[in-house]
Amino acid sequence: AQKVTQAQTEISVVEKEDVTLDCVYETRDTTYYLFWYKQPPSGELVFLIRRNSFDEQNEISGRYSWNFQKSTSSFNFTITASQVVDSAVYFCALTPNTGNQFYFGTGTSLTVIP
Amino acid sequence: GAVVSQHPSRVICKSGTSVKIECRSLDFQATTMFWYRQFPKQSLMLMATSNEGSKATYEQGVEKDKFLINHASLTLSTLTVTSAHPEDSSFYICSARDREGATNEKLFFGSGTQLSVL
Repeated sequence: AQKVTQAQTEISVVEKEDVTLDCVYETRDTTYYLFWYKQPPSGELVFLIRRNSFDEQNEISGRYSWNFQKSTSSFNFTITASQVVDSAVYFCALTPNTGNQFYFGTGTSLTVIP
Repeated sequence: GAVVSQHPSRVICKSGTSVKIECRSLDFQATTMFWYRQFPKQSLMLMATSNEGSKATYEQGVEKDKFLINHASLTLSTLTVTSAHPEDSSFYICSARDREGATNEKLFFGSGTQLSVL
């Protein structure tokens, strides 16, 4: 079974604090892709990162960083020095290498308080 | 990067009317497009898979006659909500898979359509 769990429903932080959004996944596939998307209040899904299952290197992009731990089936997302513009719902997603399903987590609503 | 255009971004209609939503891949060919529905503060749920030149595949519980999907070309899929009712009010979002990328590595999302049925 394929499943993505984002246990944190809502998080509030004060501006400039660091925040980590958790994502745990389940899959039997050996090849798969993990994603993070940002959904601001306007509704569109903004692509943040894609990681394939063979690449466990952590990645940093500006204030964003991702920690992929295959051993614990986690793909956590950290925002450092958070800003008000980071306020959004963040989705973690999993898709197998082939097939049509794209499994989304339930999302984490992040509010950054000025 | 690849772009998927979804139109309209917002539509308000009267109960009983039909609404068409378009999803276009702008710089790539998409043999497969996907339609999702999202209720407020919930995750995205796959409604159907749209294959160019063939009938769409619907997920369990999705009414085929209510949500008509047409994928007439490699760059366009449409979702028509027929005889819309207030319970159909939702956020609809499409995604398209790059034909060259047979795997799901290349999957791109549209900007979504907020449908409000009065």
